[in-house]
Amino acid sequence: KNQVEQSPQSLIILEGKNCTLQCNYTVSPFSNLRWYKQDTGRGPVSLTIMTFSENTKSNGRYTATLDADTKQSSLHITASQLSDSASYICVVSAQGYSTLTFGKGTMLLVSP
Amino acid sequence: GAGVSQSPSNKVTEKGKDVELRCDPISGHTALYWYRQRLGQGLEFLIYFQGNSAPDKSGLPSDRFSAERTGESVSTLTIQRTQQEDSAVYLCASSLTANSYNEQFFGPGTRLTVL
Repeated sequence: KNQVEQSPQSLIILEGKNCTLQCNYTVSPFSNLRWYKQDTGRGPVSLTIMTFSENTKSNGRYTATLDADTKQSSLHITASQLSDSASYICVVSAQGYSTLTFGKGTMLLVSP
Repeated sequence: GAGVSQSPSNKVTEKGKDVELRCDPISGHTALYWYRQRLGQGLEFLIYFQGNSAPDKSGLPSDRFSAERTGESVSTLTIQRTQQEDSAVYLCASSLTANSYNEQFFGPGTRLTVL
């Protein structure tokens, strides 16, 4: 069964600090992995997408990594801002399928 | 429009009533998806449409759930005889095609509360 597990479930950090969120998946055969940001009361918005051959992708202060061998990904947020407070969702797709497997998300709170 | 829109934003209904949720995708997007997000849970796939192909209904939890899409435009998700466990946020997304490399753009969701 395709699964995506994220950790931690929630995280509180001080403004300006860095943090790293984790994602482990068992989706096979792997196609691509996205990180989404979901603000409270809004739909998710894509931050990065990585395919099998990519092991790092940046989008501003967000940097995602992928280790396809260990089936792990991380999202690193640098110099956090209050607006980074949101749920971060790891989403994995399998080759040949249009449907996605979503993690439950990590709820990040950036405190002033 | 500029993005995916959904209506209503909030819906409160009584157990046993039918509800209809609406999604307007981004113009030109041939693929449209419906998801359910229960409190504290990840998104659950319900159904997707790709052009004029038969929809993939594999995620619908019961025969009380159905969805329609007219061409490549508006879609409605209908829940008949609502139950309290149907309470959730229902999200719609659209993408250029159903290829998983294409980003899915999400609407703001409809929060459904069944009393």
